[in-house]
Amino acid sequence: DAKTTQPTSMDCAEGRAANLPCNHSTISGNEYVYWYRQIHSQGPQYIIHGLKNNETNEMASLIITEDRKSSTLILPHATLRDTAVYYCIVRAPNTGTASKLTFGTGTRLQVTL
Amino acid sequence: NAGVTQTPKFQVLKTGQSMTLQCAQDMNHNSMYWYRQDPGMGLRLIYYSASEGTTDKGEVPNGYNVSRLNKREFSLRLESAAPSQTSVYFCASSEAGLGVYRHSGANVLTFGAGSRLTVL
Repeated sequence: DAKTTQPTSMDCAEGRAANLPCNHSTISGNEYVYWYRQIHSQGPQYIIHGLKNNETNEMASLIITEDRKSSTLILPHATLRDTAVYYCIVRAPNTGTASKLTFGTGTRLQVTL
Repeated sequence: NAGVTQTPKFQVLKTGQSMTLQCAQDMNHNSMYWYRQDPGMGLRLIYYSASEGTTDKGEVPNGYNVSRLNKREFSLRLESAAPSQTSVYFCASSEAGLGVYRHSGANVLTFGAGSRLTVL
């Protein structure tokens, strides 16, 4: 699996868009980008994933660059409840083994008033 | 649907005691996982199971054993607890597994609420 690099922490004002970057310069052609978040003391929660096209759901948008070497998770109107650690993971669909996903330390997003 | 259920939520052990953390999922998922999370650190994979009857080591398996009892249940056992095993433990599951059609969504993990273990 390709490795990812994320900033350690970021701040965002409530109501503004939060843009969380992720670098995955060694990504392979069949690897997807997955985003999870972990609100304090809770289990991680899936947010969104994508291959090369931009994706949007009720929680967030995912923008993947044309060369696929980086991506940005966008929370369009951040609220205090979005304060969490955000994890970016790259993984190909299984080829016969379990999805041995490993998580890094992620980006700690602090949303402030 | 309950999703992924872990028990107990909290446990305090003395060094040398044994205990088992239980995990059950009701989503008919094929793969199940155990992670631990220490303060200020990310999640680290302890063991995982791609299907009933199979288990494999993750990053930090020492001091733990696991059992995939059936498709729904995956337990984590500490035979002789040590203070270094004080942590929050998360169980997770995913649709993807051995011999199962794999699409991108099959790799999505669903996590339990966590079990906070303190070893004195």
